[in-house]
Parts: sequence; structure tokens; C-alpha cells
Amino acid sequence: TQLLEQSPQFLSIQEGENLTVYCNSSSVFSSLQWYRQEPGEGPVLLVTVVTGGEVKKLKRLTFQFGDARKDSSLHITAAQTGDTGLYLCAGGGAWSGGGADGLTFGKGTHLIIQP
Amino acid sequence: DAGVTQSPTHLIKTRGQQVTLRCSPKSGHDTVSWYQQALGQGPQFIFQYYEEEERQRGNFPDRFSGHQFPNYSSELNVNALLLGDSALYLCASSLVPGGATEAFFGQGTRLTVV
Repeated sequence: TQLLEQSPQFLSIQEGENLTVYCNSSSVFSSLQWYRQEPGEGPVLLVTVVTGGEVKKLKRLTFQFGDARKDSSLHITAAQTGDTGLYLCAGGGAWSGGGADGLTFGKGTHLIIQP
Repeated sequence: DAGVTQSPTHLIKTRGQQVTLRCSPKSGHDTVSWYQQALGQGPQFIFQYYEEEERQRGNFPDRFSGHQFPNYSSELNVNALLLGDSALYLCASSLVPGGATEAFFGQGTRLTVV
């Protein structure tokens, strides 16, 4: 069974601060996706990273895929109240254990940005 | 361009009943996956449909079944509902079967079993 562990589970910071959330696994994934989910809504795709060591920037958000394709991080600079939400990482095409089993999600990081 | 649409948005059922949830994929997508998201958890993969066949399945009992139609829309059926089946059921569509591609999610169907 492939597992993705996200940390921290909960994070509450002040507007303007920086933060990093992590996504780690013992499995290798062919791609890693980050989603943001609002209460009662479906996850919204933020970014997909596919190459080991890849770094992608989306305005104030920076995503990194580990060299070994087992881990990823999301860094937010100068957080805003609109960044509040559940951030989910999801691994695609796991190679260990044989075959792809859809997307494997972590439990998510609940992020609250206080004004 | 319509995204992924799911119906109904909310549903209340009694233990032992059966339920059918529906999903229309994003325009141009041919692969539909279903996920179950319990409160406070990340989504868990149920199964994936491509070319009207179940291609992959997660660790869910046979009470969970599905169907894909020629227009790529899909249904999720759950028989003999249990209290533990209460969750947000998410449908995701993509272009390529398998996990290594971008998936776009609908808003989900909130199922409550009483």
C-alpha cells in the first residue's frame, strides 16, 4: 500500500508570514499533484510536477518534487487570508507495488491564515 | 467549457438502501475515477472507468460498483448502505487512464446514511 504523509496536519499563521507544507512517501510516483479544497467542494488542481528535482512557481506558491520522486513541498510566500483551505498532495502512477491505482492522496494540511 | 458535474449534490439514505450517484466528465475527457472522502481525510480511490470498463480498483468491497456510458458519463452504485458509507463522493475526469495524469474534480455528492 502506497502512503503519502503530509505535515503539518494543521497550521495557523498570520497574514504576511511564509510557510512550507510537506508531502512524503516511501513509494516512487511518476507524478505529484497538489490540490486545494474548500469545505464541501471538490479539490481544485494547483500544479502537477513530473520530473525529479522539478520546481514550479505559481505566483506566491512554489512547488518542489524531490529528486527521488518520493516527496514534495509547497511553499507559500506572504500568505493571504484567501490562501486558507485544505491542501492535498496526490501521487500518480506509483511504481512500487506494481501498477497504478488511481491517485493516492495524503490526509491534507488544514491551513488557516489569520488577518 | 463545462467542468466535471456531479448529481445530486446532497443525499440522505437509510441503512440497507441502495444509491446511485452520477458524473459527467469535463469536455474532451474520456476517463472517470471515483473517490470517497470521509470527514477530515483525503480522498480514497474507489475505481476508474475507461472505454466503458472498470480499469483499476481501490480497496473497496463489491457493494461499490459502477458504470460508464458511451458519452463517457459515469455512475457509482452502492448497495446495502452502511453508516460508514457516509462521505463526500468525488468524481474526477482525465484524458489518460492510470494515475499519472492530471485529474479534474467535480464538487462532489455529500451522502449521509442514517
